[in-house]
Amino acid sequence: DAGITQSPRHKVTETGTPVTLRCHQTENHRYMYWYRQDPGHGLRLIHYSYGVKDTDKGEVSDGYSVSRSKTEDFLLTLESATSSQTSVYFCAISEPVGEPYEQYFGPGTRLTVT
Amino acid sequence: AQSVTQLGSHVSVSEGALVLLRCNYSSSVPPYLFWYVQYPNQGLQLLLKYTTGATLVKGINGFEAEFKKSETSFHLTKPSAHMSDAAEYFCAVKGYQKVTFGTGTKLQVIP
Repeated sequence: DAGITQSPRHKVTETGTPVTLRCHQTENHRYMYWYRQDPGHGLRLIHYSYGVKDTDKGEVSDGYSVSRSKTEDFLLTLESATSSQTSVYFCAISEPVGEPYEQYFGPGTRLTVT
Repeated sequence: AQSVTQLGSHVSVSEGALVLLRCNYSSSVPPYLFWYVQYPNQGLQLLLKYTTGATLVKGINGFEAEFKKSETSFHLTKPSAHMSDAAEYFCAVKGYQKVTFGTGTKLQVIP
């Protein structure tokens, strides 16, 4: 299994508070992604990173920011959590050399915003 | 932009029956296509992928998929369903620097 961990695994927070989710990898993969999974929507890309300090928006980036100061860590911040951000969040990694965009997923973080 | 459409959000089959999960893609360039599986309370894991070459692709757990350019399809099949196949399955297509996923199909296997 690819070495990807997410923390926390479960979190309950109140509307309006900032929340940071962490993704940590031990595979030295260049690309890292944050997705949210909601019933009926599958996985939707929030942000991704193609290198340290290099990030870009996905299709549902409003209300989220990311940072990547080291290859192994990719942080997702909900600047002011809203109930619509209640979801399961997955981190994924990939290395575009050799295996084209085959992604490896973390175990997920279940976030509830009350 | 690349996209995939999965037909049927829920599919039920009897144990031992054929599994067929449908995926159609849209891509302006020759596509790289993937099927992922998600078991309850877990992340996704790769079942199989098509990049170039042979259009019939074999994956883990007895699954296979056939790339049909003329039909823009990449359907997932397994000859005989097992109870352990109950999961959610996602089709995906590679785009520029990222992958786009379908909305998923939940497979129920009836004993």
